[in-house]
Amino acid sequence: KAGVTQTPRYLIKTRGQQVTLSCSPISGHRSVSWYQQTPGQGLQFLFEYFSETQRNKGNFPGRFSGRQFSNSRSEMNVSTLELGDSALYLCASSLIPSGRQETQYFGPGTRLLVL
Amino acid sequence: GNSVTQMEGPVTLSEEAFLTINCTYTATGYPSLFWYVQYPGEGLQLLLKATKADDKGSNKGFEATYRKETTSFHLEKGSVQVSDSAVYFCALSDPNNAGNMLTFGGGTRLMVKP
Repeated sequence: KAGVTQTPRYLIKTRGQQVTLSCSPISGHRSVSWYQQTPGQGLQFLFEYFSETQRNKGNFPGRFSGRQFSNSRSEMNVSTLELGDSALYLCASSLIPSGRQETQYFGPGTRLLVL
Repeated sequence: GNSVTQMEGPVTLSEEAFLTINCTYTATGYPSLFWYVQYPGEGLQLLLKATKADDKGSNKGFEATYRKETTSFHLEKGSVQVSDSAVYFCALSDPNNAGNMLTFGGGTRLMVKP
């Protein structure tokens, strides 16, 4: 079974631009979560989607948004990019959103560099 | 709010040495606890988990016991290998949230020398 895939793997943008990252969960998984990883702030939760609905949202500005499609694939969008948005963006999928029991499987991430 | 604190790295060990990476947490209720590992250039892989007090998670020679009295979930391995070199993250899931939101510690880099 294929793992979580994220595209693109690497991305370079300039300040003020916007970017869209894509995540395809493991087949059959319906919950997708996004995390931002930076050297300074570590791993921080962005948001979680299940059945095309956002279930949880982390403490990030409104420039960060996401969505989930009927096939469970998810996208996240960052508008008006800032230098501080440079990070590794990780996507994770699980069968259902039950943090206590469900194992989340992470993708390799998209590394975004904002110049 | 919830938080996870890990010992800062890097931790440098010789092959076959004993490993301990400390992890303590703050949360209301009874969170589930996880250890994830990140190899260079890769995403996170679940190493082990424990969902209730006194549970012991184990995998690939690594172990961690959920200690509610000390709010800890220390990672141990009896004999490390060079291939264990990676960054290790302790994490918890919010017991008051039915979703998958994880709170991570800062990560501990392990370097194992031959």
